[in-house]
Amino acid sequence: DAKTTQPPSMDCAEGRAANLPCNHSTISGNEYVYWYRQIHSQGPQYIIHGLKNNETNEMASLIITEDRKSSTLILPHATLRDTAVYYCIVRESGNKLVFGAGTILRVKS
Amino acid sequence: GAVVSQHPSRVICKSGTSVKIECRSLDFQATTMFWYRQFPKQSLMLMATSNEGSKATYEQGVEKDKFLINHASLTLSTLTVTSAHPEDSSFYICSARTAVSYEQYFGPGTRLTVT
Repeated sequence: DAKTTQPPSMDCAEGRAANLPCNHSTISGNEYVYWYRQIHSQGPQYIIHGLKNNETNEMASLIITEDRKSSTLILPHATLRDTAVYYCIVRESGNKLVFGAGTILRVKS
Repeated sequence: GAVVSQHPSRVICKSGTSVKIECRSLDFQATTMFWYRQFPKQSLMLMATSNEGSKATYEQGVEKDKFLINHASLTLSTLTVTSAHPEDSSFYICSARTAVSYEQYFGPGTRLTVT
């Protein structure tokens, strides 16, 4: 069973920041938070992951709450090509990735 | 970055025949490979996990005699769908993981249509 809860869909205006929430209230101390996205008819693409601290890379930022029970993926300037299904996954290092339903993000011009 | 390829990208086969899908890690050694299946408008479902040189471990409800997995080398895993039926039509995605970083990298997927 997926250990995360995400809204089924979200809309975002092109050029604006997209903030995708994820609840993982049962996360354990050694579980990481991973974000992947899947553009239609393609394999999932890794975005970012973190344990406790906030993380940033060239694609996105990951904000994890202090109690680690929730997190937010931020795409700072969404483009039409960011339209995809975004998956938030928690797992221990070395364990398999189990996908939930994800959030369909629609970026609109 | 780590690249995983799949071949073929699309395949159409007749009911009752078998079809083989290849998954290759192009620039790293994959000690573990995973096979997922995705039906339209659904999420990815893990089918099996295979470690190089060992028998695959199948998820509950996945028939091991129908979905044959071979992971004979550190860069190649194959999934063979035997005696395919229309309900096996799906998007099959492989994923590969190194023993060093434990990160999983995904292939582009194979669209199987059984007529």
